[in-house]
Amino acid sequence: AQKITQTQPGMFVQEKEAVTLDCTYDTSDPSYGLFWYKQPSSGEMIFLIYQGSYDQQNATEGRYSLNFQKARKSANLVISASQLGDSAMYFCAMTLNYGGATNKLIFGTGTLLAVQP
Amino acid sequence: EPEVTQTPSHQVTQMGQEVILRCVPISNHLYFYWYRQILGQKVEFLVSFYNNEISEKSEIFDDQFSVERPDGSNFTLKIRSTKLEDSAMYFCASSGIRLLGETQYFGPGTRLLVL
Repeated sequence: AQKITQTQPGMFVQEKEAVTLDCTYDTSDPSYGLFWYKQPSSGEMIFLIYQGSYDQQNATEGRYSLNFQKARKSANLVISASQLGDSAMYFCAMTLNYGGATNKLIFGTGTLLAVQP
Repeated sequence: EPEVTQTPSHQVTQMGQEVILRCVPISNHLYFYWYRQILGQKVEFLVSFYNNEISEKSEIFDDQFSVERPDGSNFTLKIRSTKLEDSAMYFCASSGIRLLGETQYFGPGTRLLVL
């Protein structure tokens, strides 16, 4: 069965330092997409970054980059130069190419990141 | 910037009552989703909707749940007879096209509390 695992329930990082949030996934499907979403304390879900299973290069979006290691089935999020506003819950999620009309997201349990001044 | 909106932001209801959660997806999007997040837990898929019909639903989405797109803008989730365990944050999401990497944009959520 398809599954996303986030083993870090919580993490601290000092402001301006980089932090890596771990995500491993399990699927036998060769075609899939991996997403990271940020959920601040206000509750909304904010899209951060996407990596496709066939993408040759790691995705980057500003201070966010995705360390994609396909053989290890990992898709870790790296946040460079952490800011106080990065304090939030971070969810890793996956979609699969079911061949149906829509692509549901399968989420991990999340990592709560606290940025310390 | 276009965004998904949801109303109400909070709803408190008595067990056994019907609730309707409303969503206005991004205007040119065609694919619509409902997810829920029980407090402190992960986000779970409920149902997806395309071309005026349910495309996929999870085990959670039983006969007590229904979805509708009553007009060209709204997308609703109805819970017919609420249970205590339906208390959760409910997110609506939409996407424009069906590609593996197409981002689903989430609304701010409706926090439902069933007493």
